[in-house]
Amino acid sequence: GNSVTQMEGPVTLSEEAFLTINCTYTATGYPSLFWYVQYPGEGLQLLLKATKADDKGSNKGFEATYRKETTSFHLEKGSVQVSDSAVYFCALRGFWSGANSKLTFGKGITLSVRP
Amino acid sequence: GAGVSQTPSNKVTEKGKYVELRCDPISGHTALYWYRQSLGQGPEFLIYFQGTGAADDSGLPNDRFFAVRPEGSVSTLKIQRTERGDSAVYLCASSQGLAGSSYNEQFFGPGTRLTVL
Repeated sequence: GNSVTQMEGPVTLSEEAFLTINCTYTATGYPSLFWYVQYPGEGLQLLLKATKADDKGSNKGFEATYRKETTSFHLEKGSVQVSDSAVYFCALRGFWSGANSKLTFGKGITLSVRP
Repeated sequence: GAGVSQTPSNKVTEKGKYVELRCDPISGHTALYWYRQSLGQGPEFLIYFQGTGAADDSGLPNDRFFAVRPEGSVSTLKIQRTERGDSAVYLCASSQGLAGSSYNEQFFGPGTRLTVL
């Protein structure tokens, strides 16, 4: 079945540091890939997505590129801010699934950014 | 407009009791999802409704879990004979459910934290 593996956390960075959060997946075909974020006290929200190989999703300074050859969708940001402190989840939707089908999530990683 | 709402926000119950968790989706969203998030884990899919019918219930762990959406809007997740292992945050999400879209974004509620003593 489909699965998502995220790097172990938590991650603590100083403000303005470079961020990489690794995500790899196992799935048949070409799944759609997502990053969700959960800020303290809030619900999960979509951060960015990519629906086909080599697509780059971007939002709020975050980027992730869909790499079919390495089955990866690593999240990056050039300069993190304290306000980026949150839990980040990588997720996929199966290739053969419809637009409304379920998401498969990784375990999530907690990012803390120090001033 | 209002987002997805879930009630109660917290529920504490005793082992063996019955609980109901409620989800109010975004108005007009035809698709509704339930996920369960255990401590230190990502959300795990339970069931998906399109309108009133369960389009995919493959994630329900056993027959103690049941969900309904009788009028295609509000949904209730029902858990019978609760066990300590059922303790988790139960998340609800809704989406527009448009058939022709490449992806209909799922909007998540704040969750109900269920604790079974």
